[in-house]
Amino acid sequence: EAGVAQSPRYKIIEKRQSVAFWCNPISGHATLYWYQQILGQGPKLLIQFQNNGVVDDSQLPKDRFSAERLKGVDSTLKIQPAKLEDSAVYLCASSLGSDGYTFGSGTRLTVV
Amino acid sequence: AQSVTQLDSHVSVSEGTPVLLRCNYSSSYSPSLFWYVQHPNKGLQLLLKYTSAATLVKGINGFEAEFKKSETSFHLTKPSAHMSDAAEYFCVVRAGFQKLVFGTGTRLLVSP
Repeated sequence: EAGVAQSPRYKIIEKRQSVAFWCNPISGHATLYWYQQILGQGPKLLIQFQNNGVVDDSQLPKDRFSAERLKGVDSTLKIQPAKLEDSAVYLCASSLGSDGYTFGSGTRLTVV
Repeated sequence: AQSVTQLDSHVSVSEGTPVLLRCNYSSSYSPSLFWYVQHPNKGLQLLLKYTSAATLVKGINGFEAEFKKSETSFHLTKPSAHMSDAAEYFCVVRAGFQKLVFGTGTRLLVSP
């Protein structure tokens, strides 16, 4: 079974620039999550999709972050404009039902 | 709201000695609890999960955890540490609609 694919693996941008991350979940997994993991901390949920609908985006900084999951399959997370404090690893995960969460390897973002 | 508290940010052991990583949970109902491991520059890997079946849960690589409702604890143990166990460990509780809430992590250091 193929895992959760994420790209790019690494990204370095200057503050105030924009950036986008892509995630392709495991085939058939209806639920997709984006987590932000700041260095030295546990992952924090940014947004959760069920198919192509948003279930939870309560911790998404909506003034600069946006995410979409068109057609209920792959997803993109965008930051515009980026701030220094956005430097983190962005993890995508998917699940089928209430168990069986699978995480991607993440995108490491450095904002300078 | 569901949450977990990892009591130690760092734990150091010698190879061949027992490992104990402590986690307390807070939940208004019977929780689903997980332990994940994250090796440097690698994705999150599920070690084990508790979903209200047996209170002693066995996971991969010789790890196990015991759910103790009276103590609201879900500590992770291993009888004998191996150098390859050195990593970051996260205690996780499932909250809301399939959302995972992570603890702050415990870094396990294993010395020869």
